[in-house]
This record gives sequence, C-alpha cells and structure tokens, in this order.
Amino acid sequence: AQRVTQPEKLLSVFKGAPVELKCNYSYSGSPELFWYVQYSRQRLQLLLRHISRESIKGFTADLNKGETSFHLKKPFAQEEDSAMYYCALRSNAGNMLTFGGGTRLMVKP
Amino acid sequence: DSGVTQTPKHLITATGQRVTLRCSPRSGDLSVYWYQQSLDQGLQFLIHYYNGEERAKGNILERFSAQQFPDLHSELNLSSLELGDSALYFCASSVGAGPTYGYTFGSGTRLTVV
Repeated sequence: AQRVTQPEKLLSVFKGAPVELKCNYSYSGSPELFWYVQYSRQRLQLLLRHISRESIKGFTADLNKGETSFHLKKPFAQEEDSAMYYCALRSNAGNMLTFGGGTRLMVKP
Repeated sequence: DSGVTQTPKHLITATGQRVTLRCSPRSGDLSVYWYQQSLDQGLQFLIHYYNGEERAKGNILERFSAQQFPDLHSELNLSSLELGDSALYFCASSVGAGPTYGYTFGSGTRLTVV
C-alpha cells in the first residue's frame, strides 16, 4: 500500500528564514511525487513534480529514494508563501493521487 | 480560472438528504477524478471516470455514487447525508487516464450537513 506522511501539521517561520517542509512516502515501485499548494481552502495548484526538477516560486524538492523522502525547500520564505502544502504520490498503476495530511506554512513578517 | 468548473460552490443541507455535485472538465480532458477534503480524513481519492467509464475507486462510501455523461461532465451523488460528510469536494480533470497525464483541480464544492 502507498502512503505519504507529512510529519508537521504547522510550520511557522519568519520572513526571510529558510523553509523545509518534510514529506516521506512508502511505495514499493517507482513513485512519482508532487507538491501541491492550497491558498485559503481554494483549489489545489501544482507546485512541483519531481520528474521535472524545476524550481517554482523559489521552491525546490529532491527525491531521495534511499530515505524515501521528497522534502520541499525554500532558502528565503516570503509572506505570500503562507498556505497549505500537500505532498502527493502517484503510482504507475493509475492516475490517482495519494496525499499526505498537509502542512500549514505560516510566514510571519 | 483552471478550466475545471464545479457547481455549486457552497451547499448546506440537512442530515438524511441527498445532493448532487457537478463537475465540468477542462475542454479536451476525458478523465474526471473526485476527491474529498475533510478536517479529519484529509484529502482522499474517491473515484475516477474516463470517457464515461469508471476506471478506479478509492475510499468512496456506498451512499455515494458518481457518473460521467456523454458530454464528459460528471456528477457525484451523495445520499443519506451524515454530519461527517461535511467536506470540500474537489474534482480534477486530465486528458488521459494513465499516470503520464497531469491533472488540474477545480475550486471545489463546500458541503455543510447540518
């Protein structure tokens, strides 16, 4: 069975501080991992996918298969980064996503 | 606007009632997925339709059912509603059915059962 764990429900940092949102997964095959962001309980927006290895809004994430992790990082947090962040896994057997419980990021001025 | 349209945006109803949530996928997308977001269960996959056919089922209760019509819009029917069914219901769409296709979420329908 596949599972995604985000150990922190809330992460509070000051503006300009580095941010790391943790995500661990369990999956027996080769997973595809994503980060989604949700502002004020609105629609989920794709932030990153591991296969594209791109940086969006200053965020990056690296898949570590040895540690089964896909942590989201940003060197300098901005107030507009405040939102809910969800890590998600897509199996190669279908196109449905398994989401972690989410981490609320609060960036204080 | 993501191109995925969900109606209504908000719905308040009483326990025991039945409601229908509607989703229109992005133009050209053949797949529709339904997800439930609740405070205690988080985001959970409910069901996937591709071109009118059910392709996968997740944690969907027997009181819930869905279908996708020939024009590709989908409806999620929730019956015998309970307080615990209060949640945000998201629909997403994608071009295809397989794992190579990324998808786009709608803005959701917020259901409150009182």
